[in-house]
Amino acid sequence: DAGITQSPRHKVTETGTPVTLRCHQTENHRYMYWYRQDPGHGLRLIHYSYGVKDTDKGEVSDGYSVSRSKTEDFLLTLESATSSQTSVYFCAIRGGAGGFSEQYFGPGTRLTVT
Amino acid sequence: QKEVEQNSGPLSVPEGAIASLNCTYSDRGSQSFFWYRQYSGKSPELIMFIYSNGDKEDGRFTAQLNKASQYVSLLIRDSQPSDSATYLCAATTGGFKTIFGAGTRLFVKA
Repeated sequence: DAGITQSPRHKVTETGTPVTLRCHQTENHRYMYWYRQDPGHGLRLIHYSYGVKDTDKGEVSDGYSVSRSKTEDFLLTLESATSSQTSVYFCAIRGGAGGFSEQYFGPGTRLTVT
Repeated sequence: QKEVEQNSGPLSVPEGAIASLNCTYSDRGSQSFFWYRQYSGKSPELIMFIYSNGDKEDGRFTAQLNKASQYVSLLIRDSQPSDSATYLCAATTGGFKTIFGAGTRLFVKA
């Protein structure tokens, strides 16, 4: 167990509403990541963080923002949810000290935008 | 665009056989490679990682890396029905980003 929790685990929301997903780690790791997983596309990186208040975009960042004010928490916000953002969202931490080490995943959040 | 390609499958093997899963990657700068197993409705679980050319064995699993051919594989010996899952191949590139393949579904028939 990599000590990663995500909340909420399931959420149904309406188009146009803001949504925030939370990732919490107890491992004190520097790197944290948000991915979305859709059939046929695998895991795609949305945003990642390499330290408190240090974040960068991934390949599918449009419509998403992130914040990291504490080492243990990484928040993903959908400012105005759209149906195309219906997906399963996974948070991950990078296990080792180096940037090329393995990642460990949280349990996921299933988001449905109606 | 940096990519990791996998055959989506499904790959079906009988119980006790060797399952061979393959992937290719496009970024020659990739330095670390991973195999994850994902059961339906669950999060990806790390099985193996490999950094150097050659083979790396861990129990029934062997990861193989050929950087010249930009090819990574995973062999599962003595396959069990509990190995039935989707297997994700991943490569970490510069900037500490990891690119994932779309996954290969494996079915092990009892």
